[in-house]
Amino acid sequence: RKEVEQDPGPFNVPEGATVAFNCTYSNSASQSFFWYRQDCRKEPKLLMSVYSSGNEDGRFTAQLNRASQYISLLIRDSKLSDSATYLCVVNRGQAGTALIFGKGTTLSVSS
Amino acid sequence: EAGVVQSPRYKIIEKKQPVAFWCNPISGHNTLYWYRQNLGQGPELLIRYENEEAVDDSQLPKDRFSAERLKGVDSTLKIQPAELGDSAVYLCASSQTYPSEKLFFGSGTQLSVL
Repeated sequence: RKEVEQDPGPFNVPEGATVAFNCTYSNSASQSFFWYRQDCRKEPKLLMSVYSSGNEDGRFTAQLNRASQYISLLIRDSKLSDSATYLCVVNRGQAGTALIFGKGTTLSVSS
Repeated sequence: EAGVVQSPRYKIIEKKQPVAFWCNPISGHNTLYWYRQNLGQGPELLIRYENEEAVDDSQLPKDRFSAERLKGVDSTLKIQPAELGDSAVYLCASSQTYPSEKLFFGSGTQLSVL
């Protein structure tokens, strides 16, 4: 089983749609969770951290379920500029250990 | 503040040739990572440094890959000899060890092995 697994893509949605991405991780000792965004031919950039209590940043909401080892990202009111690949990222265990990336899920928002 | 700087941006070589990539992390970032990203895949960790010490190199193919971070600042990743399957984007990233694990990536080196 891969350390981090994500929904297969691509997701093709119209502007204004709500879309959700899922991610599972295999290491129950993982403590840090993130969503990164990667535009075509660019480097990944941090979108948001994911906390146990859930967190929201504008149109983006991230959730963590430690019992199920599951992470989600919800994007509301999709914009054309949201088109990108979304990478689920988990650390290997204790704080400060390496961050492991999922394969990524590609989102394409159309007008 | 300057970001993570990588060079070269692109590299085209023939198989069996050596190649080296250079990375200068953000000033003050003790942790440095090298990732490899194949087309359509997420970045795959090759090696992680804490200052000058390689603390996680389990994914580095040691028969042909080597890396160094001699003074705990900039780093070099080398492949010798390169194989066709090494064609990928090689990304360098840095972070503060604690409390933040947020990674800052460089623009990467796109390697094509012919």
